[in-house]
Formats: sequence, C-alpha cells, structure tokens
Amino acid sequence: GENVEQHPSTLSVQEGDSAVIKCTYSDSASNYFPWYKQELGKRPQLIIDIRSNVGEKKDQRIAVTLNKTAKHFSLHITETQPEDSAVYFCAANGYSTLTFGKGTMLLVSP
Amino acid sequence: DSGVTQTPKHLITATGQRVTLRCSPRSGDLSVYWYQQSLDQGLQFLIQYYNGEERAKGNILERFSAQQFPDLHSELNLSSLELGDSALYFCASSVGITSGRATDQTQYFGPGTRLLVL
Repeated sequence: GENVEQHPSTLSVQEGDSAVIKCTYSDSASNYFPWYKQELGKRPQLIIDIRSNVGEKKDQRIAVTLNKTAKHFSLHITETQPEDSAVYFCAANGYSTLTFGKGTMLLVSP
Repeated sequence: DSGVTQTPKHLITATGQRVTLRCSPRSGDLSVYWYQQSLDQGLQFLIQYYNGEERAKGNILERFSAQQFPDLHSELNLSSLELGDSALYFCASSVGITSGRATDQTQYFGPGTRLLVL
C-alpha cells in the first residue's frame, strides 16, 4: 500500500519567515495530495490540495508543489503569522482512502 | 463547520468497559472513515465504510468494530477498554467512489470524540 513520509516533525520559525514542509510517497499511481492543518484540540481541516496534472498551486500565502518523478510534494507558507502555529499533515491517495504523514508541528514565534 | 457531526464530544469510562461513538457524515457523502489520534501521535486510520459496506481496514484492534447504517451514519464500538485506548477519535466523510483509485477523496473531519479510560 501507499506509504507517506513527512519531514520535519517540528519546525520553529520567526514571524514573517517562510516555512517548508516536505512529504514523499511510495505509490507512483497516487494522484491526489491534500494538506490538512490541525490546531490544538481541533479537527484537521483541509487547507490546500493538488492533483497530479499540475506542478504547483497557490492560495494566498500557501502554496504546494508536486514532483511526480521524485514522488515528493511540499507545502510552502510565506510571511508566517502566529496563527499559522498548528500541526500540518500531508496525505496521498491510495486505493480507496488517503494515507497521512505523521504530521509537522509548526511553531511561529512573534 | 465541516458538516460532519460526532457524539459524544467527551467520554470518560473505566477499563474493561464498552463504548459506542457515533458519526453522521456530510449530506451526500457515502464514505465514512474512522481515525484514532493519541497524544503526540498522527492520525491512525482504523476503518472505512462506503455505502454500508466495509471498504478498507487499517490498524484496527479486534476489540474495536464499526458499522455504517442505511441512513449512512456510522458507529465505532470499542470494547474491553484499556488505558492505552484513551485518545481522540475522529470520523471523516467523503463523497466516496464505487471502485478504482480515490482521485477526489477530500475527507472532511468531524470535531472528534475525546475518550478517557481510567
């Protein structure tokens, strides 16, 4: 089945800096890659996703890039703000369901 | 609000007991997924149902079982509870597909049920 590796497990940045979280996947047939943000004690919420027919997608300060050849995709957050502090999960679609990475705790210091 | 509802929000019980967690998917979604999230842990996929039938199984213990009813709500049953079962249990739903790879499988999560086993 699909296997998703996510790095780093923890990321600390200063407010205004950029943050990058990287994921690799194992199944070359995967073609849908969502990212979820989970604030403390809350539900995971979809923030952006990308399908394999595009290499990059942007939504304001958030962007996701996909390299199908290398089987990795990344989340980029620019001009980070304290409210970006949360755990971020990447995922890839396997057969029938999503496989999630183990999560990255992003800490943005004022 | 994702449209996915879960009850109860909190549950405190004792070891050896049995509990039932309930989930109602978004209107129109046929697939329901259950996840366990322990402290400092990621999302551990337990089981998926599609239109009443089991579709995929993850790391679900034999003490745990689930089902999806004709009205598409789902229940997760946890029995012979142990201290280590204390966790957040999330339900998620998606449109679902009848077969093939899940290309458009955005999952929408419910607020979760926090289970504490004492």
